Amino acid sequence: DSGVTQTPKHLITATGQRVTLRCSPRSGDLSVYWYQQSLDQGLQFLIQYYNGEERAKGNILERFSAQQFPDLHSELNLSSLELGDSALYFCASSVRGTVNTGELFFGEGSRLTVL
Amino acid sequence: SQQGEEDPQALSIQEGENATMNCSYKTSINNLQWYRQNSGRGLVHLILIRSNEREKHSGRLRVTLDTSKKSSSLLITASRAADTASYFCATDAGYGNKLVFGAGTILRVKS
Repeated sequence: DSGVTQTPKHLITATGQRVTLRCSPRSGDLSVYWYQQSLDQGLQFLIQYYNGEERAKGNILERFSAQQFPDLHSELNLSSLELGDSALYFCASSVRGTVNTGELFFGEGSRLTVL
Repeated sequence: SQQGEEDPQALSIQEGENATMNCSYKTSINNLQWYRQNSGRGLVHLILIRSNEREKHSGRLRVTLDTSKKSSSLLITASRAADTASYFCATDAGYGNKLVFGAGTILRVKS
């Protein structure tokens, strides 16, 4: 158990809909990272927050947004969903704001299926 | 695009044999990490090697790093069926704030 909690574990929805994925980092970790894993794209970095502020941005679509709240949990919002958004979405956390200093702790992921 | 590329894409060995996976990357790095992912599960950190280190050990794992060739290798000795998983290398790609993962090597250890 990494200590990172993601909900929901599974989600099935229709095209055009909007969903919210939730992540609670390990106790004491200030950074939250979001990744998307799909068969054709592999693991893609989406976005990172550190202590409530956006720190780095990756291949995140404009239809997607995220935020980190004062209690450090984070939410990833996916809107106008398309079939191609079906994937495993991972949240990871770390103590510091950069990956230079250590490992990421991953949650078990939220599997999104768009029909 | 991905920073690290693992080789081979898939590897099948017998229990007790050694497994070697390679990773190549494109830009300068501060560190390189290896992660394991059991099917459909979250990634688990295995080992981190810094750019000024050449070799690192952790239990049955040995990681080497050659910054001149921009490559790393992960050796799992005396493999077990429980080692069956996907293995990913990841680098900071010099950015510091994000970890970029390769496509992974699927390892199957047959008992």
